[in-house]
Amino acid sequence: AQSVTQLDSQVPVFEEAPVELRCNYSSSVSVYLFWYVQYPNQGLQLLLKYLSGSTLVKGINGFEAEFNKSQTSFHLRKPSVHISDTAEYFCAVSDHSGGYNKLIFGAGTRLAVHP
Amino acid sequence: AAGVIQSPRHLIKEKRETATLKCYPIPRHDTVYWYQQGPGQDPQFLISFYEKMQSDKGSIPDRFSAQQFSDYHSELNMSSLELGDSALYFCASSLNREGSYNSPLHFGNGTRLTVT
Repeated sequence: AQSVTQLDSQVPVFEEAPVELRCNYSSSVSVYLFWYVQYPNQGLQLLLKYLSGSTLVKGINGFEAEFNKSQTSFHLRKPSVHISDTAEYFCAVSDHSGGYNKLIFGAGTRLAVHP
Repeated sequence: AAGVIQSPRHLIKEKRETATLKCYPIPRHDTVYWYQQGPGQDPQFLISFYEKMQSDKGSIPDRFSAQQFSDYHSELNMSSLELGDSALYFCASSLNREGSYNSPLHFGNGTRLTVT
């Protein structure tokens, strides 16, 4: 079965600073990767996805992620964060070992943006 | 655009009671998923339905059951509730054409269940 590991449980950062949230996945022949954001008391919103093709994926809210097959990583980046980016971020991988698709989530990284 | 609708948003039950959570997927989506997210935890997959048939099962307790109806809405039934069942329950839907495993899941805002 597929799995993802988010290496940082919390990332504090100052407003307008760059940020990187790390995610590593278990190696597989084909892998589909996603980043979701969860604001307090809300559901999960898709930020971006990697399915195939270009390894640099751009998402909403100025976020981007780079798929690195050799390092089995899919780190999320933003060059300049805002206070409103404070949220929980989940990396997820598509698992279809049972013949149907489902998402397996990492433990999440809490991004705290300070003024 | 229409999103996944879950009801109720909040639910308070006592131990040993039953609860029913409802989910209305995005129109034309053929797959519904249920996830459980405990406090400070990542979402854990419970169960999914593809075209109204159970397609996959995760860490769902035997006290829980779910089904998808002819109009594609789904219900998660939880019996003999325990304190540890207190969590945020998410429903998600996606469009999974045969052989396709890359459709993103679209999540509802969740139902927060509190068992006292």
